[in-house]
Amino acid sequence: LAKTTQPISMDSYEGQEVNITCSHNNIATNDYITWYQQFPSQGPRFIIQGYKTKVKNEVASLFIPADRKSSTLSLPRVSLSDTAVYYCLVGALNSGYSTLTFGKGTMLLVSP
Amino acid sequence: SQTIHQWPATLVQPVGSPLSLECTVEGTSNPNLYWYRQAAGRGLQLLFYSVGIGQISSEVPQNLSASRPQDRQFILSSKKLLLSDSGFYLCAWAGAGNEQFFGPGTRLTVL
Repeated sequence: LAKTTQPISMDSYEGQEVNITCSHNNIATNDYITWYQQFPSQGPRFIIQGYKTKVKNEVASLFIPADRKSSTLSLPRVSLSDTAVYYCLVGALNSGYSTLTFGKGTMLLVSP
Repeated sequence: SQTIHQWPATLVQPVGSPLSLECTVEGTSNPNLYWYRQAAGRGLQLLFYSVGIGQISSEVPQNLSASRPQDRQFILSSKKLLLSDSGFYLCAWAGAGNEQFFGPGTRLTVL
Protein backbone atom coordinates (compact mmCIF):
# COMPACT_ATOMS: atom_id res chain seq x y z
CA LEU A 1 0.00 0.00 0.00
CA ALA A 2 1.24 3.43 -0.91
CA LYS A 3 2.15 5.54 2.10
CA THR A 4 0.85 9.07 2.37
CA THR A 5 2.26 12.15 4.06
CA GLN A 6 0.11 15.11 5.07
CA PRO A 7 0.62 18.16 7.28
CA ILE A 8 -0.44 17.47 10.84
CA SER A 9 -2.49 20.64 11.12
CA MET A 10 -3.60 23.75 9.24
CA ASP A 11 -5.31 26.96 10.29
CA SER A 12 -7.64 29.11 8.23
CA TYR A 13 -10.35 31.73 8.51
CA GLU A 14 -13.92 31.68 7.37
CA GLY A 15 -14.37 32.46 3.68
CA GLN A 16 -10.84 31.50 2.66
CA GLU A 17 -9.87 28.74 0.27
CA VAL A 18 -7.94 25.93 1.92
CA ASN A 19 -5.57 23.62 0.07
CA ILE A 20 -4.32 20.48 1.79
CA THR A 21 -1.54 18.64 -0.01
CA CYS A 22 -0.79 14.96 0.34
CA SER A 23 2.39 13.24 -0.83
CA HIS A 24 2.25 9.66 -2.11
CA ASN A 25 5.54 9.03 -3.87
CA ASN A 26 5.02 5.28 -4.18
CA ILE A 27 1.56 5.40 -5.71
CA ALA A 28 0.89 2.43 -7.98
CA THR A 29 -0.57 2.52 -11.46
CA ASN A 30 -3.90 1.13 -10.29
CA ASP A 31 -4.21 3.32 -7.21
CA TYR A 32 -6.88 5.97 -6.82
CA ILE A 33 -6.64 8.88 -4.42
CA THR A 34 -9.45 9.33 -1.92
CA TRP A 35 -10.08 12.00 0.69
CA TYR A 36 -12.19 11.64 3.82
CA GLN A 37 -13.41 14.11 6.42
CA GLN A 38 -13.87 13.23 10.08
CA PHE A 39 -15.62 15.20 12.80
CA PRO A 40 -15.04 14.35 16.48
CA SER A 41 -16.80 11.19 17.65
CA GLN A 42 -17.99 10.36 14.12
CA GLY A 43 -16.79 8.03 11.45
CA PRO A 44 -14.93 9.44 8.44
CA ARG A 45 -17.03 10.62 5.54
CA PHE A 46 -16.07 10.34 1.88
CA ILE A 47 -15.32 13.69 0.24
CA ILE A 48 -13.83 13.08 -3.18
CA GLN A 49 -11.89 10.57 -5.23
CA GLY A 50 -9.74 10.86 -8.33
CA TYR A 51 -7.13 9.20 -10.50
CA LYS A 52 -5.47 12.08 -12.41
CA THR A 53 -5.89 15.72 -13.40
CA LYS A 54 -8.78 17.46 -11.69
CA VAL A 55 -11.97 16.25 -10.08
CA LYS A 56 -14.64 18.53 -8.71
CA ASN A 57 -17.86 17.98 -6.81
CA GLU A 58 -20.22 20.12 -4.80
CA VAL A 59 -17.96 20.30 -1.74
CA ALA A 60 -14.35 20.13 -2.94
CA SER A 61 -11.88 19.90 -5.79
CA LEU A 62 -9.02 17.46 -6.13
CA PHE A 63 -5.94 18.35 -8.12
CA ILE A 64 -3.57 15.59 -9.18
CA PRO A 65 -0.41 16.39 -11.18
CA ALA A 66 0.72 14.27 -14.08
CA ASP A 67 3.22 12.24 -12.02
CA ARG A 68 0.49 11.51 -9.43
CA LYS A 69 3.02 11.63 -6.60
CA SER A 70 0.97 14.18 -4.76
CA SER A 71 -2.58 15.50 -4.64
CA THR A 72 -4.23 18.62 -3.30
CA LEU A 73 -7.65 18.82 -1.75
CA SER A 74 -9.13 22.26 -2.24
CA LEU A 75 -11.98 23.49 -0.06
CA PRO A 76 -13.51 26.71 -1.38
CA ARG A 77 -14.65 29.38 1.07
CA VAL A 78 -14.42 27.33 4.25
CA SER A 79 -16.78 27.83 7.15
CA LEU A 80 -16.49 27.02 10.84
CA SER A 81 -18.22 23.70 10.18
CA ASP A 82 -15.33 22.61 7.98
CA THR A 83 -13.18 22.26 11.09
CA ALA A 84 -12.33 18.56 11.00
CA VAL A 85 -9.59 16.04 10.31
CA TYR A 86 -8.96 15.33 6.63
CA TYR A 87 -7.44 12.04 5.52
CA CYS A 88 -5.73 11.27 2.23
CA LEU A 89 -5.66 7.63 1.15
CA VAL A 90 -4.42 5.78 -1.91
CA GLY A 91 -5.48 2.35 -3.01
CA ALA A 92 -6.72 0.33 -5.93
CA LEU A 93 -10.37 0.01 -6.77
CA ASN A 94 -11.79 -3.48 -6.85
CA SER A 95 -8.67 -4.77 -5.20
CA GLY A 96 -10.52 -7.53 -3.46
CA TYR A 97 -9.59 -6.66 0.04
CA SER A 98 -9.71 -2.91 -0.54
CA THR A 99 -7.71 -2.18 2.55
CA LEU A 100 -7.01 1.49 2.80
CA THR A 101 -4.69 2.77 5.48
CA PHE A 102 -5.77 5.88 7.32
CA GLY A 103 -2.87 7.94 8.59
CA LYS A 104 -3.16 10.64 11.23
CA GLY A 105 -4.68 13.07 8.76
CA THR A 106 -4.62 16.86 8.75
CA MET A 107 -6.45 18.72 11.48
CA LEU A 108 -8.00 21.82 9.88
CA LEU A 109 -9.08 24.56 12.26
CA VAL A 110 -11.27 27.28 10.79
CA SER A 111 -11.57 30.43 12.88
CA PRO A 112 -14.05 33.33 12.62
CA SER B 1 -30.19 3.10 0.26
CA GLN B 2 -27.48 1.53 2.34
CA THR B 3 -27.21 2.04 6.07
CA ILE B 4 -24.79 0.78 8.66
CA HIS B 5 -25.59 0.30 12.32
CA GLN B 6 -23.36 -0.14 15.33
CA TRP B 7 -24.23 -0.78 18.94
CA PRO B 8 -23.86 0.08 21.63
CA ALA B 9 -22.96 3.73 21.14
CA THR B 10 -20.99 3.89 24.37
CA LEU B 11 -19.69 1.22 26.70
CA VAL B 12 -17.81 1.20 29.98
CA GLN B 13 -16.31 -2.12 30.93
CA PRO B 14 -13.94 -3.32 33.69
CA VAL B 15 -10.58 -4.80 32.85
CA GLY B 16 -10.84 -8.52 32.28
CA SER B 17 -14.46 -8.47 31.19
CA PRO B 18 -15.64 -9.77 27.80
CA LEU B 19 -16.64 -7.59 24.87
CA SER B 20 -19.04 -7.91 21.99
CA LEU B 21 -19.65 -5.10 19.53
CA GLU B 22 -22.03 -5.61 16.67
CA CYS B 23 -22.22 -4.04 13.25
CA THR B 24 -24.91 -4.63 10.64
CA VAL B 25 -25.30 -3.30 7.14
CA GLU B 26 -28.55 -2.89 5.22
CA GLY B 27 -29.24 -2.31 1.57
CA THR B 28 -26.23 -4.03 0.06
CA SER B 29 -25.02 -7.56 -0.58
CA ASN B 30 -21.62 -9.13 -0.09
CA PRO B 31 -19.91 -6.00 1.18
CA ASN B 32 -16.34 -5.86 2.39
CA LEU B 33 -16.53 -5.15 6.11
CA TYR B 34 -13.97 -3.50 8.35
CA TRP B 35 -13.31 -2.85 12.03
CA TYR B 36 -11.17 0.15 12.96
CA ARG B 37 -10.04 1.54 16.28
CA GLN B 38 -9.16 5.13 16.94
CA ALA B 39 -7.37 6.00 20.15
CA ALA B 40 -7.72 9.54 21.48
CA GLY B 41 -5.96 12.01 19.17
CA ARG B 42 -4.78 9.28 16.83
CA GLY B 43 -5.58 8.11 13.34
CA LEU B 44 -7.67 5.08 12.47
CA GLN B 45 -6.07 1.70 12.90
CA LEU B 46 -7.48 -1.11 10.80
CA LEU B 47 -8.10 -4.14 13.03
CA PHE B 48 -9.94 -6.64 10.86
CA TYR B 49 -11.49 -6.90 7.44
CA SER B 50 -13.76 -9.46 5.85
CA VAL B 51 -14.60 -10.17 2.23
CA GLY B 52 -17.26 -12.77 2.98
CA ILE B 53 -19.03 -14.91 5.55
CA GLY B 54 -16.54 -16.61 7.83
CA GLN B 55 -13.57 -14.89 6.15
CA ILE B 56 -11.63 -12.71 8.56
CA SER B 57 -8.22 -11.14 8.11
CA SER B 58 -6.37 -9.46 10.94
CA GLU B 59 -4.10 -6.51 10.37
CA VAL B 60 -2.45 -6.40 13.78
CA PRO B 61 -1.95 -8.95 16.57
CA GLN B 62 -4.09 -8.04 19.50
CA ASN B 63 -6.47 -8.98 22.24
CA LEU B 64 -9.48 -8.83 19.95
CA SER B 65 -11.17 -11.15 17.48
CA ALA B 66 -13.81 -10.72 14.80
CA SER B 67 -16.46 -12.91 13.26
CA ARG B 68 -18.84 -12.63 10.34
CA PRO B 69 -21.68 -15.08 10.91
CA GLN B 70 -23.90 -13.53 8.25
CA ASP B 71 -23.29 -11.59 5.05
CA ARG B 72 -24.14 -8.24 6.59
CA GLN B 73 -23.14 -8.81 10.20
CA PHE B 74 -19.70 -8.19 11.65
CA ILE B 75 -18.89 -8.75 15.32
CA LEU B 76 -15.88 -7.61 17.31
CA SER B 77 -15.11 -9.57 20.48
CA SER B 78 -12.71 -10.00 23.31
CA LYS B 79 -12.55 -12.58 26.07
CA LYS B 80 -10.72 -10.30 28.50
CA LEU B 81 -10.46 -6.57 27.96
CA LEU B 82 -7.27 -4.65 28.64
CA LEU B 83 -6.94 -0.97 29.52
CA SER B 84 -5.30 -0.45 26.13
CA ASP B 85 -8.47 -1.63 24.39
CA SER B 86 -10.15 1.68 25.18
CA GLY B 87 -10.97 3.73 22.11
CA PHE B 88 -13.46 4.61 19.45
CA TYR B 89 -14.43 1.56 17.40
CA LEU B 90 -15.71 2.06 13.90
CA CYS B 91 -17.26 -0.42 11.54
CA ALA B 92 -17.25 0.28 7.81
CA TRP B 93 -18.39 -1.35 4.61
CA ALA B 94 -17.22 -1.00 1.04
CA GLY B 95 -18.81 -2.06 -2.20
CA ALA B 96 -17.28 -2.46 -5.64
CA GLY B 97 -15.19 0.67 -5.36
CA ASN B 98 -12.93 1.47 -2.44
CA GLU B 99 -15.13 4.16 -0.93
CA GLN B 100 -15.76 3.11 2.64
CA PHE B 101 -18.92 4.00 4.53
CA PHE B 102 -18.58 4.23 8.28
CA GLY B 103 -20.99 3.54 11.08
CA PRO B 104 -21.63 5.86 14.02
CA GLY B 105 -18.99 4.16 16.17
CA THR B 106 -18.80 2.78 19.69
CA ARG B 107 -16.91 4.63 22.41
CA LEU B 108 -15.35 1.97 24.66
CA THR B 109 -13.82 2.85 28.01
CA VAL B 110 -12.03 0.12 29.91
CA LEU B 111 -11.54 0.89 33.60
